[in-house]
Amino acid sequence: GAVVSQHPSWVICKSGTSVKIECRSLDFQATTMFWYRQFPKQSLMLMATSNEGSKATYEQGVEKDKFLINHASLTLSTLTVTSAHPEDSSFYICSARLDRGHDTQYFGPGTRLTVL
Amino acid sequence: QKEVEQDPGPLSVPEGAIVSLNCTYSNSAFQYFMWYRQYSRKGPELLMYTYSSGNKEDGRFTAQVDKSSKYISLFIRDSQPSDSATYLCAMSVGPPGTYKYIFGTGTRLKVLA
Repeated sequence: GAVVSQHPSWVICKSGTSVKIECRSLDFQATTMFWYRQFPKQSLMLMATSNEGSKATYEQGVEKDKFLINHASLTLSTLTVTSAHPEDSSFYICSARLDRGHDTQYFGPGTRLTVL
Repeated sequence: QKEVEQDPGPLSVPEGAIVSLNCTYSNSAFQYFMWYRQYSRKGPELLMYTYSSGNKEDGRFTAQVDKSSKYISLFIRDSQPSDSATYLCAMSVGPPGTYKYIFGTGTRLKVLA
């Protein structure tokens, strides 16, 4: 149980275009999902907390108009990177929090974004 | 000073060795302590979580928390080449229901056959 999927697993796009990444909890409901970014050989940095039915909470330094988050259902959150630039190239990982017990986060497999 | 410190490695050990991975932290408000394993270009996989000081064992893995020293460890017994990965410690902070995680930088482990 507690499986999280992401789509796509990798994407290459031109500078200036927008890219949408989906995060789904497959076998459980998640009121809260998280979006992280990971640069090579670095740790996961939390970008934002996504709450079903309400606005996302962004971490300091993350542009909310550039990284649009929508959490329309208890099993789906989306991250849209708008007007992507090469410096946005990174590994984007989502997680979903199990809404019971110890609050553990389960992670998706990640999406590798390359902006040319 | 980072809230969570973790030696990035790489740590190379022979197959069958006992591996010790460690993190230190500075924020006494951290509540849950997790260890994740991450293979290259994959998402992190939860290995262990603990709440209180002491040891927790699961198969070949033992998680240890010492809140007085602000120090956590993960021990891997009888290490296998398939254990080669990056191991991330994570700590949760925040009011109940709104926890967020702070991650260490991860330690790259190589188990040599």
